[in-house]
Amino acid sequence: DVKVTQSSRYLVKRTGEKVFLECVQDMDHENMFWYRQDPGLGLRLIYFSYDVKMKEKGDIPEGYSVSREKKERFSLILESASTNQTSMYLCASKVGGRSYEQYFGPGTRLTVT
Amino acid sequence: QQQVKQSPQSLIVQKGGISIINCAYENTAFDYFPWYQQFPGKGPALLIAIRPDVSEKKEGRFTISFNKSAKQFSLHIMDSQPGDSATYFCAARPVTGGGNKLTFGTGTQLKVEL
Repeated sequence: DVKVTQSSRYLVKRTGEKVFLECVQDMDHENMFWYRQDPGLGLRLIYFSYDVKMKEKGDIPEGYSVSREKKERFSLILESASTNQTSMYLCASKVGGRSYEQYFGPGTRLTVT
Repeated sequence: QQQVKQSPQSLIVQKGGISIINCAYENTAFDYFPWYQQFPGKGPALLIAIRPDVSEKKEGRFTISFNKSAKQFSLHIMDSQPGDSATYFCAARPVTGGGNKLTFGTGTQLKVEL
């Protein structure tokens, strides 16, 4: 089974802090994604990576950056956390090419106070 | 921006009933329409998918109906069970962009009551 793990299930940070969310997949997938999930807004893509060191902005990249130094690991960085970044963050991975099946991690519930 | 609109936002169905979730898209630049199911505390997982040249696809109690001319597709859950209680997302894969991304609907929280 594909396994996508996220470093924390729950995280509480203060406004202005730098926040790192880590994601690791064990299936040698080329593509990795970061989404945020908010009630009534569904899953919104923050960033996408199609290869090591390669990234592409999603629909809501403002206030976020990403890093992919190794194929299995994709990090989401909040340079200066704000209260409007309180949300559920989901990482996903998939094989390269036109497969539509994404494998999701369990999510990190981030609260910024 | 390509969009997929999903309704209702929440749904309560009695055990044994039919759950119906609807989605609509705004342009024709999609070539695959998957549905994802998310249980509390878990990430979404692929449930079923359909191509636009097929009008219906059934897997067990789950059926996708697709109406290409109306740009609409729906998920039907027959004989709904309490274990089906979850959030359901429809999605669409854009033709362009290498097929790497999905556009997701806003989600439907389904509760199946005894």
